[in-house]
Amino acid sequence: DAKTTQPNSMESNEEEPVHLPCNHSTISGTDYIHWYRQLPSQGPEYVIHGLTSNVNNRMASLAIAEDRKSSTLILHRATLRDAAVYYCILGSTSGTYKYIFGTGTRLKVLA
Amino acid sequence: KAGVTQTPRYLIKTRGQQVTLSCSPISGHRSVSWYQQTPGQGLQFLFEYFSETQRNKGNFPGRFSGRQFSNSRSEMNVSTLELGDSALYLCASSWTGEQYNEQFFGPGTRLTVL
Repeated sequence: DAKTTQPNSMESNEEEPVHLPCNHSTISGTDYIHWYRQLPSQGPEYVIHGLTSNVNNRMASLAIAEDRKSSTLILHRATLRDAAVYYCILGSTSGTYKYIFGTGTRLKVLA
Repeated sequence: KAGVTQTPRYLIKTRGQQVTLSCSPISGHRSVSWYQQTPGQGLQFLFEYFSETQRNKGNFPGRFSGRQFSNSRSEMNVSTLELGDSALYLCASSWTGEQYNEQFFGPGTRLTVL
């Protein structure tokens, strides 16, 4: 099963951009890259996803490397409400379809 | 529109007992997935149901089972509970469960096994 690797934790100052990296060197050609985040005492919530091209939505941007072996979630202006654990996930259809969550990055936002 | 709901939110059981957890997906969603979250193992996929059929399964023992009803509501059952089954159990729904679909997670059921 394809897996992802993320730093355990990162810190950012409020209102500054944040770049959260994810490595997925064993990604296969049809795997989508998803990002979810989990705020304290809540279930994960969707942030963004993509296949090959960079993606933007109201929450964030997703930059995908040309070889697709890594990606970066970009929060343009971090707020205190963005403090959460961010998960990079591959939507794998190899074998049985299932989401494989990585260890996640705990983002701390400093006021 | 209402989100994914899970009941109960908290549950305390003793070893050897069995437990049933319930998940009501967002209206119109036909895929329901279940996950176990523990501090040591993180978020792990249990199984996914679509149109009342288990379509995919993670690496969990047979004590963990589930089912889905015609209205897409799903239940998860754990038999012969062990201390290690203490965890947050999360349910997520999506339109079809295809990997390009966004998954919507519920708040989870916190299970404590004594």
